[in-house]
Amino acid sequence: QKEVEQNSGPLSVPEGAIASLNCTYSDRGSQSFFWYRQYSGKSPELIMSIYSNGDKEDGRFTAQLNKASQYVSLLIRDSQPSDSATYLCAADGGATNKLIFGTGTLLAVQP
Amino acid sequence: ETGVTQTPRHLVMGMTNKKSLKCEQHLGHNAMYWYKQSAKKPLELMFVYNFKEQTENNSVPSRFSPECPNSSHLFLHLHTLQPEDSALYLCASSQEDGANYGYTFGSGTRLTVV
Repeated sequence: QKEVEQNSGPLSVPEGAIASLNCTYSDRGSQSFFWYRQYSGKSPELIMSIYSNGDKEDGRFTAQLNKASQYVSLLIRDSQPSDSATYLCAADGGATNKLIFGTGTLLAVQP
Repeated sequence: ETGVTQTPRHLVMGMTNKKSLKCEQHLGHNAMYWYKQSAKKPLELMFVYNFKEQTENNSVPSRFSPECPNSSHLFLHLHTLQPEDSALYLCASSQEDGANYGYTFGSGTRLTVV
């Protein structure tokens, strides 16, 4: 069964620090990867997508992809209390071409 | 506002009731999805519609019945639900049926079955 694995956390970081969120996926055929942010009681919001090996930066967010290791990460620089949320990693299911989600990592940024 | 609107936001229903969840997207997308989100579990894909045709039913019990009259509207009809069906039900849409572009989610319906 195709899976996306994440540490459920909580990951606690002080305000201003770098938060590092990690994800692994099982299907070597996956080509598209996404990070969603979900505040408590709200719906998931797409914040980053990445398709190629390497880094992709968008403001304070950097997504990293290593297809050889089947590993995706999200770095949040200068973390703010407003970044406190659950971060969902998702990958396309290869041949099924449907998004498969991890269980999410709860990030808590301490003021 | 994401461009995907779900109603109602909250729903409490008894096990013998019949209710419907509604989803409408204003993004011009062609594919729509129903997901179930339960505590401590990954998002579970339930149904997929592409150009209003169902392309996937992920072994969902028949007490959940989807309907897609056009590419902009999606319904989930509920009847004789069980308490374990209590969850957040999310509607999503995407440009095409597939994962290449990511999905846009609605705000969800928090369902409680009593």
